[in-house]
Amino acid sequence: KAGVTQTPRYLIKTRGQQVTLSCSPISGHRSVSWYQQTPGQGLQFLFEYFSETQRNKGNFPGRFSGRQFSNSRSEMNVSTLELGDSALYLCASSLFFPHPANYGYTFGSGTRLTVV
Amino acid sequence: KQEVTQIPAALSVPEGENLVLNCSFTDSAIYNLQWFRQDPGKGLTSLLLIQSSQREQTSGRLNASLDKSSGRSTLYIAASQPGDSATYLCAPAPGANNLFFGTGTRLTVIP
Repeated sequence: KAGVTQTPRYLIKTRGQQVTLSCSPISGHRSVSWYQQTPGQGLQFLFEYFSETQRNKGNFPGRFSGRQFSNSRSEMNVSTLELGDSALYLCASSLFFPHPANYGYTFGSGTRLTVV
Repeated sequence: KQEVTQIPAALSVPEGENLVLNCSFTDSAIYNLQWFRQDPGKGLTSLLLIQSSQREQTSGRLNASLDKSSGRSTLYIAASQPGDSATYLCAPAPGANNLFFGTGTRLTVIP
């Protein structure tokens, strides 16, 4: 079965612009989480959505937002881009929320965002 | 807040060697713990998941153990191969919340 699909794979944006990233979870998975990975900070949690509702949020400014659609696909948006937003953005899907202890997360290949 | 430490940060071994990667976490009230590998510039591939009630899990040449009370997990790789070269990340999950990641161990297996 298809894995977690993230589009686009690469993006180059200019400081001050906004960007939207997309994530399609594994078929049947209803939970989608987003993570930011940078060399300096490692992997940091952004937010998690389940049934179109944000269930959990990390410590990021309001410029970072997301949403989930009825088909469980999710988008994240970053407005007023800063150079420090350059990162690999990873999406992960899971079956349920709350997560059963015997079921983990499956990650996509990520979107590499470069802000110039 | 959960703090995750992985030691060593980098490891280089000759092909065929057995090796152990270490992970420690500060909050032992975890739900489960996943080990992932990440190839350069790529996403995360799940290797093993250990539930909080389990002590270890095995998949092929990989064996992960969990000592929840002491906040430690280890990933044992037997008979290492060049294809095992990657960064390995451990991620404890504190219940129905997000994963917390360590900074990883970068493994290089020399042919």
